[in-house]
Amino acid sequence: DAGITQSPRYKITETGRQVTLMCHQTWSHSYMFWYRQDLGHGLRLIYYSAAADITDKGEVPDGYVVSRSKTENFPLTLESATRSQTSVYFCASSPSGRGNEQFFGPGTRLTVL
Amino acid sequence: QKEVEQNSGPLSVPEGAIASLNCTYSDRGSQSFFWYRQYSGKSPELIMSIYSNGDKEDGRFTAQLNKASQYVSLLIRDSQPSDSATYLCAVRNLNTGNQFYFGTGTSLTVIP
Repeated sequence: DAGITQSPRYKITETGRQVTLMCHQTWSHSYMFWYRQDLGHGLRLIYYSAAADITDKGEVPDGYVVSRSKTENFPLTLESATRSQTSVYFCASSPSGRGNEQFFGPGTRLTVL
Repeated sequence: QKEVEQNSGPLSVPEGAIASLNCTYSDRGSQSFFWYRQYSGKSPELIMSIYSNGDKEDGRFTAQLNKASQYVSLLIRDSQPSDSATYLCAVRNLNTGNQFYFGTGTSLTVIP
């Protein structure tokens, strides 16, 4: 099916471990985004990408790394997971230009013990 | 000052009533405005987009934009219990980074 998918949907890990969250979209959208959502904070932008090999920091980038070698994939890596990174992570994509609606993946619920 | 502000609620309305959700934004150069609905445990779902001043209607939903007042609203007519969710307002400025800025959302409960 076309759309935006995330994997895994649920992940439990331990402090200090490296974790990679995957995001894949089939629309060939130029823009892709990673957000985290926590109670009381709403959606906070971690990183975004305007195209393959172009990435930019968002509001809360510390502790995260992204790459985008292909238009359709935008993985998010937590290099050394901390308890404060326990959250729900959403990937989203958007075409460029006007009419540039953003669509979200189903989310990954990450727990860091 | 936050980029996008919404009343967190909760907002409760009886079934069949009109629910009115409001949003203000600080970036006067914002060009694109969106309303998302998010059910508990689910991802945000786009329900309306608006780009020009005035009203835009889609079924029971009407989005209203007033760029001079930096104000966006969403009206839900004939509210149904299935409309109970958190509604997120988002704005985007194509000229400055292309990021989407989200409010923290308004929780709506429609009482049967």
